[in-house]
Amino acid sequence: KQEVTQIPAALSVPEGENLVLNCSFTDSAIYNLQWFRQDPGKGLTSLLLIQSSQREQTSGRLNASLDKSSGRSTLYIAASQPGDSATYLCAVSTTSGTYKYIFGTGTRLKVLA
Amino acid sequence: DTAVSQTPKYLVTQMGNDKSIKCEQNLGHDTMYWYKQDSKKFLKIMFSYNNKELIINETVPNRFSPKSPDKAHLNLHINSLELGDSAVYFCASSPRAGGRYEQYFGPGTRLTVT
Repeated sequence: KQEVTQIPAALSVPEGENLVLNCSFTDSAIYNLQWFRQDPGKGLTSLLLIQSSQREQTSGRLNASLDKSSGRSTLYIAASQPGDSATYLCAVSTTSGTYKYIFGTGTRLKVLA
Repeated sequence: DTAVSQTPKYLVTQMGNDKSIKCEQNLGHDTMYWYKQDSKKFLKIMFSYNNKELIINETVPNRFSPKSPDKAHLNLHINSLELGDSAVYFCASSPRAGGRYEQYFGPGTRLTVT
């Protein structure tokens, strides 16, 4: 059974710092991994999607990497800004049985001005 | 243009009532989903429809009944509401089923059962 864990659960950093969020999963048989951002009281916004055949994806100040064999992904945020404050969720799509996304519990990020 | 929309945004009701949540996507996607996010912010899939056909049905009480009148709409009807049903319910869509595709989420419906 696929389990997705995100560490740390919460993180506070001063503005301008580079930071790394971690996501680990127990079953490496995945189609892809998706990183989302959730603002308080809002829905999820897709940030990056990494296919299982890819090693990384970049969008602006965000870079996500995937190491399928070790069951890990990282989301790197460069030069963090207060507007980056949100909860970041990772989700993996399974290849066994019915195809669905399994979500991690999220990392709550606060960037201090 | 709202890609995935849900109504209502907030729903407060009493135990035992029946309520519905509606979802619509204008992305032309084939597949739609319902997720439940509990008080600890854990997000879990409940149902998925592909071209109006139910393809994922997780272990959800049969008081929850999804309905897809067409591939752009997926509604969730809940009978005999219980306190434990209080949560945020998210609708999502993806171009096709199969887990290979990016998912797009609606803004959520916060259900409070008193």
